[in-house]
Amino acid sequence: QVQLQASGPGLVKPSETLSLICNVSGGSIGNYYWSWIRQPPGKGLEWIGFIHYRGSTNYNPSLKSRVTISIDMSKNQFSLNLSSVTAADTAVYYCARAMPTWYFHLWGRGTLVTVSS
Amino acid sequence: QSVLTQPPSVSGAPGQRVTISCTGTRSNIGAQYDVHWYQQLPGTAPKLLIYGNNNRPSGVPDRFSGSKSGTSASLAISGLQAEDEADYYCQSYDTSLSAVVFGGGTKVTVL
Repeated sequence: QVQLQASGPGLVKPSETLSLICNVSGGSIGNYYWSWIRQPPGKGLEWIGFIHYRGSTNYNPSLKSRVTISIDMSKNQFSLNLSSVTAADTAVYYCARAMPTWYFHLWGRGTLVTVSS
Repeated sequence: QSVLTQPPSVSGAPGQRVTISCTGTRSNIGAQYDVHWYQQLPGTAPKLLIYGNNNRPSGVPDRFSGSKSGTSASLAISGLQAEDEADYYCQSYDTSLSAVVFGGGTKVTVL
């Protein structure tokens, strides 16, 4: 059974870069789209971006200037870099497996990232 | 302000039927993009509940059903159970924004 687990620093300083990794276990990272979604405490969901296993990406225009999503087939993982963070980037970050028609059918448990000095 | 509009909360007694609306525009739901629904139990990750407007993934009870018409969609929960207390989110794609968009979420309370 495929499982996703996001990991990374739980605390990031303002203006620095938030970096997270999503490890995919129980199945290959090939043949799917992979995505990052975030949820500020007590608020709703916000899509960050997709990466196809072949490397093409699609980012939320509201975050595009600060986001990079990459994939490492050899490690069966994909990653998120979000630069120049502020307190508004404090959220639970989820990694998810997506279908070509843009829905998320498998989610990881999420990891809380707090932006604070 | 979310691109897709949902009521903040709905409630019902056990056994009742409740519906959650998701209102969009001609650039998302009205542009023929599918609507999908997620259930988020307290303290957990969202779970896919309905995909492609009215399809249930394996394991989702048939008490949950989805529909779409024009620029709106709805999620219905029949035979409401205590375990259905959760936040529910609709999701689609917006061609004007070139982005996946979510509704603001609806909290379902079982009285």
